[in-house]
Amino acid sequence: AQKVTQAQTEISVVEKEDVTLDCVYETRDTTYYLFWYKQPPSGELVFLIRRNSFDEQNEISGRYSWNFQKSTSSFNFTITASQVVDSAVYFCALDLKAAGNKLTFGGGTRVLVKP
Amino acid sequence: DAGVTQSPTHLIKTRGQHVTLRCSPISGHKSVSWYQQVLGQGPQFIFQYYEKEERGRGNFPDRFSARQFPNYSSELNVNALLLGDSALYLCASSLEVLQNYEQYFGPGTRLTVT
Repeated sequence: AQKVTQAQTEISVVEKEDVTLDCVYETRDTTYYLFWYKQPPSGELVFLIRRNSFDEQNEISGRYSWNFQKSTSSFNFTITASQVVDSAVYFCALDLKAAGNKLTFGGGTRVLVKP
Repeated sequence: DAGVTQSPTHLIKTRGQHVTLRCSPISGHKSVSWYQQVLGQGPQFIFQYYEKEERGRGNFPDRFSARQFPNYSSELNVNALLLGDSALYLCASSLEVLQNYEQYFGPGTRLTVT
């Protein structure tokens, strides 16, 4: 069975610091998709990125960047120059190609950005 | 375009009662999935429907059931409520399932069982 582990339960930083969130996944399938979602205090999950298992290119979107390393089964997320609005719980999730829209989520990492 | 909508927003029920939660997907989305999020944990997959057919079920008891209607909206039903059913219930929609497209989540229904 597949599993997603986010070892960091909470990270506290001061505004403008960089913060990296770790995500390690387990699956025996060779084709899968990885996702990151943000859950602000309002509760609604916001989609951030989708990456398939054959695309190991790192991606940057504004202050967000993602590092996918298949060799270590990791899909880490970095927020550069953090802002107070980045305070939220961030979830990493795995979807197997064979499954289709059945996400397995990690436990989440709460990020608190202090002004 | 409107996002995923869910109703009601909040609900308080007593143990043993039944509850129905509703979800309307983004226009054009044919896949709907339901997740349960207990406080302090990540969401857990309950059901997935595509083109009105159940395509997946998570590790939840038979007290949980769902269906998808011809307009792709969906209902989640929970019978014989237990205290442990208290959670945020999230609905997510996606274009389809074959390409594992990203799912867009609604605001959720917070269910409290007393």
